Amino acid sequence: QQQVKQSPQSLIVQKGGIPIINCAYENTAFDYFPWYQQFPGKGPALLIAIRPDVSEKKEGRFTISFNKSAKQFSLHIMDSQPGDSATYFCAANFMGTYKYIFGTGTRLKVLA
Amino acid sequence: DAGITQSPRHKVTETGTPVTLRCHQTENHRYMYWYRQDPGHGLRLIHYSYGVKDTDKGEVSDGYSVSRSKTEDFLLTLESATSSQTSVYFCAIRDDRGGEKLFFGSGTQLSVL
Repeated sequence: QQQVKQSPQSLIVQKGGIPIINCAYENTAFDYFPWYQQFPGKGPALLIAIRPDVSEKKEGRFTISFNKSAKQFSLHIMDSQPGDSATYFCAANFMGTYKYIFGTGTRLKVLA
Repeated sequence: DAGITQSPRHKVTETGTPVTLRCHQTENHRYMYWYRQDPGHGLRLIHYSYGVKDTDKGEVSDGYSVSRSKTEDFLLTLESATSSQTSVYFCAIRDDRGGEKLFFGSGTQLSVL
């Protein structure tokens, strides 16, 4: 299976809230898990990424939590702002390749 | 934007006609990708290339072919376009300078009527 399952499909939070987006994978051959952010009319851009040898990674207000045994990873956005309103994609890369598979996306809206 | 240019930006075509989308890069990166983006399906990999004349299939390659005769250009061809191929197509390159960062182009909106 080359599938990365992402949820929820959409999410609305108040400013300052902590939206959480979840992804699950099946193939244990994945070894790199990035998150991409996309604004309307633009291509996706890399936000943050993690490898399975660590359980958490933080970059600014963005945190990835990784659970290798459950084959799940999630994105947390601390102190969310209206400017964070965008579509977020999780992805995974097959070990030894540069073949990146993406999730179905989560549309986030942060209310002012 | 890592010097990626997609052309055309918009195209409307009729069912059964051939269509070619072009991705051009200026930084000689080895890996190039074609994705399509559709509501409810996210980004799906069509084909990717790991060098001149070296390509491989992605998740949704049926109905699409690709060619890479020069490092800087990666072409996606729909031999006989169908309405199910109406989508936004994104080209991406992998940054060879370290890490595994993908840079995406601005996309091509293709409508097949």
